[in-house]
Amino acid sequence: EPEVTQTPSHQVTQMGQEVILRCVPISNHLYFYWYRQILGQKVEFLVSFYNNEISEKSEIFDDQFSVERPDGSNFTLKIRSTKLEDSAMYFCASSGSSVNQPQHFGDGTRLSIL
Amino acid sequence: LAKTTQPISMDSYEGQEVNITCSHNNIATNDYITWYQQFPSQGPRFIIQGYKTKVTNEVASLFIPADRKSSTLSLPRVSLSDTAVYYCLVGDLNAGNNRKLIWGLGTSLAVNP
Repeated sequence: EPEVTQTPSHQVTQMGQEVILRCVPISNHLYFYWYRQILGQKVEFLVSFYNNEISEKSEIFDDQFSVERPDGSNFTLKIRSTKLEDSAMYFCASSGSSVNQPQHFGDGTRLSIL
Repeated sequence: LAKTTQPISMDSYEGQEVNITCSHNNIATNDYITWYQQFPSQGPRFIIQGYKTKVTNEVASLFIPADRKSSTLSLPRVSLSDTAVYYCLVGDLNAGNNRKLIWGLGTSLAVNP
């Protein structure tokens, strides 16, 4: 069964540094998402992406965040000037174009800001 | 987006049937009900989805009454490996590009030997 893959599985970064989290969505999917989950808390929506542009973003997704689909397969989340509170699991998801298709998630990148 | 309410935790034993009920009193006409499972340090995994009545797949069944104000995820004959957090979400999957999922805290299911 096709799956969403994310790299790296764990990223440790100094506060103030930039990080790029990478995702390879399922190949025929057209909708892409980033979510985050702080340890012990609920999954939070960050951003959705369709047709090479952001469809919706949450209040968490401020100017330090950006997303890109640089080629036909990768979908990236960039965090500029990371803060301690950015430490979390970041999940990428994708869904197909047909109605009612569910979102499929990767296993996440654990981001630790020191 | 409809708000959902689930029990915070449930306990069961191997071989039993587990039913997790989710309330979504404000569900909208176009909303679908989707259930996910999440193991520690893994991404949520899609289990089942429905709009009304009953849906069954190889993993679970989903029961939705006529008023759609609640739904019940049924896991037949659970095993230890079914210990996980289960999330109920409702949303309009036809909402054009706006298909974000709003998550609650889910139900933490513990299956005991």
